[in-house]
Amino acid sequence: GESVGLHLPTLSVQEGDNSIINCAYSNSASDYFIWYKQESGKGPQFIIDIRSNMDKRQGQRVTVLLNKTVKHLSLQIAATQPGDSAVYFCAEGQAGNMLTFGGGTRLMVKP
Amino acid sequence: ETGVTQTPRHLVMGMTNKKSLKCEQHLGHNAMYWYKQSAKKPLELMFVYSLEERVENNSVPSRFSPECPNSSHLFLHLHTLQPEDSALYLCASSQEVTGSMKQYFGPGTRLTVT
Repeated sequence: GESVGLHLPTLSVQEGDNSIINCAYSNSASDYFIWYKQESGKGPQFIIDIRSNMDKRQGQRVTVLLNKTVKHLSLQIAATQPGDSAVYFCAEGQAGNMLTFGGGTRLMVKP
Repeated sequence: ETGVTQTPRHLVMGMTNKKSLKCEQHLGHNAMYWYKQSAKKPLELMFVYSLEERVENNSVPSRFSPECPNSSHLFLHLHTLQPEDSALYLCASSQEVTGSMKQYFGPGTRLTVT
């Protein structure tokens, strides 16, 4: 889930299982949403994005779901692998404004 | 590689030192950003440049001074920093300044102020 305080939420999954990471966004006017992956010692890496005229978008092993009614975004990772271990965070934005980033969720994959 | 490079990757400096962080993007983008990433907070936007012109400054202390000599290079000049300024400083770029397109991040500079 979304980090709102002093600690980073952690999701621990078994290798091969599916992972679901959630994000609650705050601005109902946001029309663009993006997920990043950040491994230790590296900068954030783009995973997938989605615009508000869609409610689902699929990439390679990843799917983003958007529920505008409840302002909720989720990232699904299929067949999670050890290399997926990282911090994942979402961002929301709109034209004429800046991206606003969430605090992130740490994904730990157990072999 | 994202096409955004940052140097140095690690920096330790005393509170009286002056140092600079450098960012270069090889993507032909028109917008560049500086972010601060601390352990206890989400990414904090510090500065935004569009075509070498500063378009946003999020109330950042004057001990941080940005410079954008051209659309491919961005600097962050540091002087008389405080220990609480220790963080990961990330540079990013995008095609234009907007909240409706992806930003590409560099690897960051891990700054420690002693």
